[in-house]
Amino acid sequence: NAGVTQTPKFRVLKTGQSMTLLCAQDMNHEYMYWYRQDPGMGLRLIHYSVGEGTTAKGEVPDGYNVSRLKKQNFLLGLESAAPSQTSVYFCASSTPYRVGREQYFGPGTRLTVT
Amino acid sequence: GEDVEQSLFLSVREGDSSVINCTYTDSSSTYLYWYKQEPGAGLQLLTYIFSNMDMKQDQRLTVLLNKKDKHLSLRIADTQTGDSAIYFCAVAQALSGSARQLTFGSGTQLTVLP
Repeated sequence: NAGVTQTPKFRVLKTGQSMTLLCAQDMNHEYMYWYRQDPGMGLRLIHYSVGEGTTAKGEVPDGYNVSRLKKQNFLLGLESAAPSQTSVYFCASSTPYRVGREQYFGPGTRLTVT
Repeated sequence: GEDVEQSLFLSVREGDSSVINCTYTDSSSTYLYWYKQEPGAGLQLLTYIFSNMDMKQDQRLTVLLNKKDKHLSLRIADTQTGDSAIYFCAVAQALSGSARQLTFGSGTQLTVLP
């Protein structure tokens, strides 16, 4: 099992450009999440999904959109990138059938917006 | 909202025990986690504890939970240089269904000196 994978690993954007980050998981997990990590801080939840075709806002959703067309994939879109979106983005997945409800994280995407 | 606090740095000698502390504010949190992050990598789940437990031991790791004081600690016995990393405490809050938002502390940088 690859677990949770993220594409791309690194990206540099100019202000106003758009891009999509892809998250894939092969654990058949129902729930998927997008977090961002800023220097010296913990992770903050952007959006999440409890199933195929459903998404919901997290703590810091502004400037991002998401889609979950297939159970194994969760896409994070930036329509018009801003320097404040420079961050490391982590995807995670979980299932309600594990006792600990633990979230498994991908390796992250480092995004720089100039 | 939930607030999670950790001290920023901890240095120990190889072979000693390390104790990383965390405090949180939401007493209704059911699941509490410890994650490890090595440079340039994603988050690796180390262990978790339910809020109805006082202690959990897993090989070299011991988690203590004082629910009255809202204090969580992670003890690493016989600390090795490979344990050098950032350790995050995370507290789960309910979203829809069984999905959980993790609120993270800012992380404790553990440095193990030879």
